[in-house]
This record gives sequence, structure tokens and C-alpha cells, in this order.
Amino acid sequence: RKEVEQDPGPFNVPEGATVAFNCTYSNSASQSFFWYRQDCRKEPKLLMSVYSSGNEDGRFTAQLNRASQYISLLIRDSKLSDSATYLCVVNIAGAGSYQLTFGKGTKLSVIP
Amino acid sequence: EPEVTQTPSHQVTQMGQEVILRCVPISNHLYFYWYRQILGQKVEFLVSFYNNEISEKSEIFDDQFSVERPDGSNFTLKIRSTKLEDSAMYFCASNLRDRAVGELFFGEGSRLTVL
Repeated sequence: RKEVEQDPGPFNVPEGATVAFNCTYSNSASQSFFWYRQDCRKEPKLLMSVYSSGNEDGRFTAQLNRASQYISLLIRDSKLSDSATYLCVVNIAGAGSYQLTFGKGTKLSVIP
Repeated sequence: EPEVTQTPSHQVTQMGQEVILRCVPISNHLYFYWYRQILGQKVEFLVSFYNNEISEKSEIFDDQFSVERPDGSNFTLKIRSTKLEDSAMYFCASNLRDRAVGELFFGEGSRLTVL
């Protein structure tokens, strides 16, 4: 069973659109959740942590549903610069583990 | 802005050769990591390192791999006898002790090509 699974993508959206990505994880003991972005052939960069109550950072909103083991990322008013692959990242093993498990990513292309 | 730096950016080697990838983590960070990403695949955890010892490693990190912090700044990953399947981008990362475990700062990566 895949540990962190994401929408397959790619998502091609016009500038200004709202787009949502979903992610599921396999271990209910997981405690920490993140969204990273990765530009083509570049390193992953932290976009935002995901908190139990949901959190927002500008145009980006992340939500966590522990009961369904589901994480989402909403991007409003998409910009060309948002084009990247979005990685769902989970501390699958829970407390005491430093290991992060990455999803394969969902590619977003924002079109002029 | 402080950053994690990695060298070399790209290394080509013959199968069976030893490779050392170098990383300089952010100076006040205490936790160090190596991840790898095979082309077109997901980012995979290799090892975490704290207080001069390995704190956790994955199944990928077998006896062919080792890490070292030889001085106060460098953090190295050694592959003793490279295999074709070791071809990947290797990312070094670091973070502060009081940061959430997943808030990592990644270097730009070292691309390893094994022929």
C-alpha cells in the first residue's frame, strides 16, 4: 500500500483560477504534515506546514482530516509562478522519527 | 539568506567506484539528512544524523552507504561501490532542533550518474 498518495495530475489551469490538490496517507499514527513545492530539476522547498485546525498563508490554504487520513492544499488566484510540482509530505512513523515520506507529487501548470 | 550548499553539482562515475558527496548545512542547524530522488520518482529518505551519529536510516541506506561529519561544517555521504541503480539526485537537508521535524532546508542537490 502506498504510504503517501496524491492526485496524479497534471493540472493545467488558467491564471486566476482556484485549484485544489488532495493527498492521503496510510498510517493513522502520523503526526506531522507538510506541503512542499519542487520546481523542475530543483530541490524541494517547504511551502507550508499543515495544522490540525487548518491554516492559511496568503493564497494558500491547507487542511487536515485525521479521521479520513486526508490532506488538501487549495491555491487561490493562481499565478504563473505557482507552476511547479506540489509534494505532500508526512512524518509517517510519528513521534520520535525524523523520517519524512514524500508523495510522488502533483504537477501544476498555470497557463497565461 | 542562509542556505545548504552541496558539491559536486553533477558527478559521473563508473560502476564499482567510490563516490563522496559533500554538503555544508546551515551553520546553526543541528539535524542533518540525506534524501535521494531517482529521475521521475519520489523523494526518498536515506538517513538522519544528529550529535555526530546516525539517528535513523532507511532500508536504502545499506552497508554501501556511510555518512560523516568530519569537521564543524561539512556533512558527507559516501557510496563505497556504486551501482547503476544509485544514479539519482542526492539532496542534503538540515534543520534546527526546535523546528518541526518536517521543516527542512534542502540543498540544490548532487546529481550522480553511474555508468
